Parts: sequence; structure tokens; C-alpha cells
Amino acid sequence: QSALTQPASVSGSPGQSITVSCTGTSADVGYFNYVSWYQQHPGKTPKLIIYDVRYRPSGVSNRFSGSKSGNTASLTISGLQAEDEADYYCSSYTISGTLVFGGGTKLTVL
Amino acid sequence: QVQLQESGPGLVMPSQTLSLTCTVSGGSFSGDNDYWSWIRQPAGKGLEWIGHIYRGGSTAYNPSLKSRITMSIDPSKKQFSLRLNSVTAADTAVYYCARMPNSRYFDFWGQGTLVTVSS
Repeated sequence: QSALTQPASVSGSPGQSITVSCTGTSADVGYFNYVSWYQQHPGKTPKLIIYDVRYRPSGVSNRFSGSKSGNTASLTISGLQAEDEADYYCSSYTISGTLVFGGGTKLTVL
Repeated sequence: QVQLQESGPGLVMPSQTLSLTCTVSGGSFSGDNDYWSWIRQPAGKGLEWIGHIYRGGSTAYNPSLKSRITMSIDPSKKQFSLRLNSVTAADTAVYYCARMPNSRYFDFWGQGTLVTVSS
């Protein structure tokens, strides 16, 4: 299985909105609504911020939102804050019953 | 609150077998929707799903690692384990265990354990 495709980096200024894309295939992202997103600060454990394309776990800021169109899922962060600077990973369930991650996107808050 | 803790050797010799155990506390271990997974992350690189196991022992493995992986589970001890054989330097990484509701995403993670493959 091939890794999902994410941009290597994105950036934005405080208060702005940014979107991270995650492109897969009709065998994973496009087939199920089972895309999840994780935030990882340097040296820390990944944290679930979006599951099943658009749902936020309890305690996750509503500044984080998820969506999907065809084979591409997206994570949008609104009202950027310095603390949002981190690596972001998408993941999808596949028709083979496996999981696949994206390569990760480094978010820089300018 | 579910907590997970990885344990195992931090150094493994090339061609040998990497063995890790994850101990779960603070929550259900044998829930109908609970799957248990291993994920790894080489230094400076992205996450890689290794595989997962269900309470009854059914498994799913990353196709790229499938020939070298064995996972097992012991509900009585609230533990699950990973064995990765014939390791090389490319298997050096931080290994995480995590819970997977309905095998779709990872909601609770262990702190991770660094395993180095070196002679």
C-alpha cells in the first residue's frame, strides 16, 4: 500500500486559516469516511484531532475541522495560534482492512 | 482514561528479533470495538502503521512488514505484543502502541519506546 500524499509544509500567520490536504485513492480515502488526523509536537506523542473525516474528540478545539471530497481529505485550522505549530498526519482505513498514514505536513506559524 | 505503556529492549542486534509488549490500564481491554495497534516512527520521519490485533487474536498487518511480524494478545494481563524478526538498521524507530476503536483510528497512545538496531 502506498502512503497518502500530504504537502511537506504549510505556513500561516496568527489568526489566519490554513488547510492541509491528504490525497489517497479509491481504495482508501475515497472508499470510506474513515480518515483521521493527528497533531504531533516535537518529541511528543501524536494526538488525535479528527476522526471519521469530520468528528473532533472531546477536548479538541473547534478551530480544527475536517472534510473530504473524492480521494482527498482536508484538515482546516482556523484562527491560527502559535501552539498549532506542529507536524500533522492523516490516516485512512483501506479496503484491505489495513491502515495507511500520510507522509506528514509541517505547519509553521509565522 | 485509557493508558498504554510499551516495554522491551532498547537495543536489538541485526538479524535478531525485536520484541515489545504494551500494557493497558485504566479502561476496558476486551470491548467489542477495541483493536490494539503498533505504529513506529524513525527519527525525523513519518508514522508507519505496523499492524493491529483484536481480543480474539485476529490480526491485520502492514503488507510491507507482514512476512516478519507476529502479534499476540493476553486479555487476562491486559497486554498485547509485537515480534519483528530479521531486523536491520532500517527498523530503528520509536515504537508506539495505541488503541483503535473499530480499527479505524488511534485515540489513545503509549509514550513510545526507542528501539535501536545495532551491533
